[in-house]
Amino acid sequence: GENVEQHPSTLSVQEGDSAVIKCTYSDSASNYFPWYKQELGKRPQLIIDIRSNVGEKKDQRIAVTLNKTAKHFSLHITETQPEDSAVYFCAGPGLTGNQFYFGTGTSLTVIP
Amino acid sequence: GAVVSQHPSWVICKSGTSVKIECRSLDFQATTMFWYRQFPKQSLMLMATSNEGSKATYEQGVEKDKFLINHASLTLSTLTVTSAHPEDSSFYICSARDLEGAIDEQFFGPGTRLTVL
Repeated sequence: GENVEQHPSTLSVQEGDSAVIKCTYSDSASNYFPWYKQELGKRPQLIIDIRSNVGEKKDQRIAVTLNKTAKHFSLHITETQPEDSAVYFCAGPGLTGNQFYFGTGTSLTVIP
Repeated sequence: GAVVSQHPSWVICKSGTSVKIECRSLDFQATTMFWYRQFPKQSLMLMATSNEGSKATYEQGVEKDKFLINHASLTLSTLTVTSAHPEDSSFYICSARDLEGAIDEQFFGPGTRLTVL
């Protein structure tokens, strides 16, 4: 499957601080990069995605940046709140473009 | 957004029995659905790609004879765990793509928690 690496595996931040999670991928043909938030026992929820024709996308406190040359994309959460605590996954498409392969996940804890 | 349902939401079975999990796209047609498995505190691992009207494509290491996939219509894919054993206990999640909508986005079902005693 597609090789998608995600770092860090755990992240603790103080409420109000920023959190950054990074993923690297290997398939240079990839052109769609989503980020998911998963709460315990629930389905992944798409929180933001970016396509390869742009370098950055922002939605309120959440942003994603893409560096195609370096083959990595990052999730940025600003002004973190306790409800941001969850596991976050990036995903990358497979070689046929149909499948998604998920990163290993980042457990984010926002400390009040 | 598009809605994907799964049934059952949880199931407990005895070792050696078979369990069928259904995945339905409720308001769109999905020629392709995906089945994932997630163990506690781990990532979602793609098991197979389910194609309407044809055989599923399994990921390396996933036994096709143990995890039977049937995609008989544009809105339904089923995953049958045959001769289940305790190590098959996991959270199974399906997803589907709305080919008439956003090309890339996948919509996830709520998941099925399988416990094999």
